[in-house]
Amino acid sequence: DIQMTQSPSTLSASVGDRVTITCRASQSISLSLAWYQQKPGEAPKLLIYKASTLRSGVPSRFSGSGSGTEFSLTISSLQPDDFATYYCHQYNSYSNTFGQGTKVEVK
Amino acid sequence: EVQLVQSGAEVKKPGESLRISCKGSGYRFTSYWIIWVRQMPGKGLEWMGSVDPTDSYTTVSPSFEGHVTISVDKSINTAYLQWGSLKASDSAMYFCARNDIQGEIVSTILPWGQGTLVTVSS
Repeated sequence: DIQMTQSPSTLSASVGDRVTITCRASQSISLSLAWYQQKPGEAPKLLIYKASTLRSGVPSRFSGSGSGTEFSLTISSLQPDDFATYYCHQYNSYSNTFGQGTKVEVK
Repeated sequence: EVQLVQSGAEVKKPGESLRISCKGSGYRFTSYWIIWVRQMPGKGLEWMGSVDPTDSYTTVSPSFEGHVTISVDKSINTAYLQWGSLKASDSAMYFCARNDIQGEIVSTILPWGQGTLVTVSS
């Protein structure tokens, strides 16, 4: 099975900061990577798919990059609504795998 | 509107059985795989398994194989997750979700159900 290693597990930041979360796959997954945002008590929401394609309606301050085994999610200027937990998700193999999650908290 | 609506919260005792449901609407139910995801309290997302509503073919994570059963009744656009004998460690939020790409066994996941909270306690 493909393992996804996400870092950091917690990120303390302030409004306006640029933040980056990384995700590493145990083997190449090409571009088959998505990023989700989850807030407490809610289901995850899709932000980015195919590693770098922004889902319609998602603010442009979110961006994704990478291919193969190394990926990243960047929020260019953190907004109050962005404090949440973020997960990467590989969908290259026949089994889905999620990263461990990164909680973005107020510094 | 494409949506998945899950059954309500459950409180059970260890050893009891349980089946929770996930009803799809707003799309052709048999065209998209349904997946189940566990989220234990304060923890991350874990893929449990997936089912093809066309023929009920399932694939289950080794971590859950033998402990849960995933099924579907396409006549009522509903998928199920069931346990034969619950443990306290099964206490978690369970999400159903739909693959975003028609006919694909894996893809981005969209939409998600609202979640079903299962509490197992003596």
